[in-house]
This record gives sequence, structure tokens and C-alpha cells, in this order.
Amino acid sequence: GAVVSQHPSWVICKSGTSVKIECRSLDFQATTMFWYRQFPKQSLMLMATSNEGSKATYEQGVEKDKFLINHASLTLSTLTVTSAHPEDSSFYICSARPTRNTGELFFGEGSRLTVL
Amino acid sequence: RKEVEQDPGPFNVPEGATVAFNCTYSNSASQSFFWYRQDCRKEPKLLMSVYSSGNEDGRFTAQLNRASQYISLLIRDSKLSDSATYLCVVNMPSGGSYIPTFGRGTSLIVHP
Repeated sequence: GAVVSQHPSWVICKSGTSVKIECRSLDFQATTMFWYRQFPKQSLMLMATSNEGSKATYEQGVEKDKFLINHASLTLSTLTVTSAHPEDSSFYICSARPTRNTGELFFGEGSRLTVL
Repeated sequence: RKEVEQDPGPFNVPEGATVAFNCTYSNSASQSFFWYRQDCRKEPKLLMSVYSSGNEDGRFTAQLNRASQYISLLIRDSKLSDSATYLCVVNMPSGGSYIPTFGRGTSLIVHP
């Protein structure tokens, strides 16, 4: 089956630092990747849609200058949380939609960010 | 009104029970429907796709009703290991593409 690798799995950082999370599709090409955030006991909330070679589309209420997304290749998208604060602590999950597009999504393992 | 709605539960059932979840969606032009399973502090994993003709995978049966805009998941002979949150996902049209939209999930607890 298709594999999506997300790194790092865990990160703890000080307030004010920036954190980069990588999402790679290992055995397929993904024109589109999605970034989600999930707070405890809540549903997955779509933050942005990342399209290879173009600017990401952000959902309402998500600050594009704070959550920088880069999708430079068909197998890699990155999310950078800039100047992280404790309220940014959350579980961030990426998913990739294969270019062949059956509608199915493949998820990374998620990254748990804790900002002190 | 949320675009994809699910009863959050929890559904608390004994082993061996049959349990059913429903999920409704707001946009009739939606395409592609899925059920995912999410264990605590883990990423969602695909359980099954959902079609109008219905599909079955072992103890799991999924069904799509386009006229009423809902999808269902039936789990027969529940196992302890079925305890998880079940997410329904609907690909909804947005800006010329389709965006996967998640329900908030239904929590299932299977007890001995």
C-alpha cells in the first residue's frame, strides 16, 4: 500500500522558535497534500491544501504567515510553524492524495508538537 | 450546520454486539466517501471505501445513500480491538477540486 512518512513524530520546543514538519510520499506521487491539526478529543481540522508547484490554499482562520507550507516536489510537502507559542501545541497530520486520484487519502503518522 | 455530521457517541457495546454508525453530508455534489479508523494519538487509517451498491469486508459493511445524503457503517460481532474512533470522510467540491472533509468521529468502546 501507499506509504506517507511524516517527520518528526515528536517535537518539544521553546516559545518563539520555528518548527518544520516534513511529509513525504514514499512510493507514489502526490500532486495534492493536506495539512490537518487535531486538538485532544476533537476532530481533524483542515488547515491548508498544498499543491505541488503553487501556493497553498489556507482555510479560514489559519494564518498563512504563521503556518508556512511549501510543496516543492511531487513527493514532499513541509509545514513550518513560525514563532511557535503554547497555543500551537497540537497533533499535526499530513495526508497525500495520489496523482492518479481515487479520492483515497494516505496519512502520515502525525507530529505531536509541544511548545513550552 | 457542519458539512459532515456524525454522532460523537461514545457507543458502549459488549463483545459480539452489532453496532451501526451514520454520517450525513450537506453537499449533494460530493464524490468519494470513506470510513477511517483512528486510534488514540495515532493517525487515521482507511477502513473502507463506500459505494451506493454497498460493500462488505469481513464483519464490516458500508453503504452510501445519495438520495438521503448519508453513509453508514455496520460492525457485526464486535471485538475488543474494534474500540476506536470512526471517522467518515466525504470529498466535497471546492474551487474546482474536491476537498476531503471529515466528520468529528464516532467513538466506539467494546467491553468484555
